[in-house]
Amino acid sequence: DVKVTQSSRYLVKRTGEKVFLECVQDMDHENMFWYRQDPGLGLRLIYFSYDVKMKEKGDIPEGYSVSREKKERFSLILESASTNQTSMYLCASRAGGAQPQHFGDGTRLSIL
Amino acid sequence: GENVEQHPSTLSVQEGDSAVIKCTYSDSASNYFPWYKQELGKGPQLIIDIRSNVGEKKDQRIAVTLNKTAKHFSLHITETQPEDSAVYFCAASSLPQGGKLIFGQGTELSVKP
Repeated sequence: DVKVTQSSRYLVKRTGEKVFLECVQDMDHENMFWYRQDPGLGLRLIYFSYDVKMKEKGDIPEGYSVSREKKERFSLILESASTNQTSMYLCASRAGGAQPQHFGDGTRLSIL
Repeated sequence: GENVEQHPSTLSVQEGDSAVIKCTYSDSASNYFPWYKQELGKGPQLIIDIRSNVGEKKDQRIAVTLNKTAKHFSLHITETQPEDSAVYFCAASSLPQGGKLIFGQGTELSVKP
């Protein structure tokens, strides 16, 4: 089974802090994704990566950056956290070709 | 831009009844349509998917239908059970674009025993 692990289930940070969310997958997948999930809005794509050191902006990249130094790890960075970034963050990975995305269990981030 | 609309936002059924969730998409290039189930405290789990060269796909009590002309697809759950209670998301993708998914807003399904 595919395993996507997000390092924290719950995180509380203060406005202005630099926040790191970590995601690791164990299936050697080329593609990795970061989403945020908000009630009534579904899942919205922040950034994705199709290879090591490669990244592409998703639909809502403002205020976020990402890092992919190793194939199995994809980090989401909030450069200067703001209260409107309080949300559930979901990481996903996918093999190449016509394969589905597999999700982690999410990090619920609160910015106070 | 690309958009996926999902209805209803909440759905309550009696155990044993059928449940239907509908989605419409805007990008005519979309060719892959997965459905995810999200239980409380968990990430979304893929339950079924369909590609544009197929009109219907079934897996036990779950089926998905696709109408490419009308640009809509639906999830059908028959003989619902309390463990089917969860939030369901539809999504659409043009696979050559690296598998980027556009998600619907979600449907909270409640199955009452």
